[in-house]
Amino acid sequence: EPEVTQTPSHQVTQMGQEVILRCVPISNHLYFYWYRQILGQKVEFLVSFYNNEISEKSEIFDDQFSVERPDGSNFTLKIRSTKLEDSAMYFCASSEGEGAAMGAFFGQGTRLTVV
Amino acid sequence: RKEVEQDPGPFNVPEGATVAFNCTYSNSASQSFFWYRQDCRKEPKLLMSVYSSGNEDGRFTAQLNRASQYISLLIRDSKLSDSATYLCVVNPGGATNKLIFGTGTLLAVQP
Repeated sequence: EPEVTQTPSHQVTQMGQEVILRCVPISNHLYFYWYRQILGQKVEFLVSFYNNEISEKSEIFDDQFSVERPDGSNFTLKIRSTKLEDSAMYFCASSEGEGAAMGAFFGQGTRLTVV
Repeated sequence: RKEVEQDPGPFNVPEGATVAFNCTYSNSASQSFFWYRQDCRKEPKLLMSVYSSGNEDGRFTAQLNRASQYISLLIRDSKLSDSATYLCVVNPGGATNKLIFGTGTLLAVQP
């Protein structure tokens, strides 16, 4: 069964450092997303990406965040200068041609710990 | 009013019990509705979409009431493996492709 894969599974970084979280979406999917979940809280939307550009972003996705699809398979989230409050589980997701109308499939997540 | 609201639980039920979860959403124009399941510290997994006519998948039945902006999930004959957090999720539709998650309802099925 096709799945979304994310690396690394856990990343510890010092405050102020840059991190890049990596994802390989399901191969025939067209929409890609990043969500995050702070421990004990709900899953929150960060950004959606379609046709090689950001299609929507939330208030959380400020200038410190960027996304890229550097090749035909990878989708990355970069946080330029991490803050303590960026500590969370980051989930990559993808969905088929109708966007989120049929739901989205999530990767296993990257647990980011900022110290 | 929260965009998607759920009773956080926990719901503690014995094996074999029937349990129902409810969810309300605030945007009456919302287009698509889902139940996801999330195990502790794992990713959300799509359990089922929810259709206006109601739909069933084995022991799971989902219902949507658009007039009341209310979604439900019924689990029959609960198994120990059903223990998880159940997330009510809404896609507002229109120009947006984001999913809006509720905080989840924790289910603990006990032997």
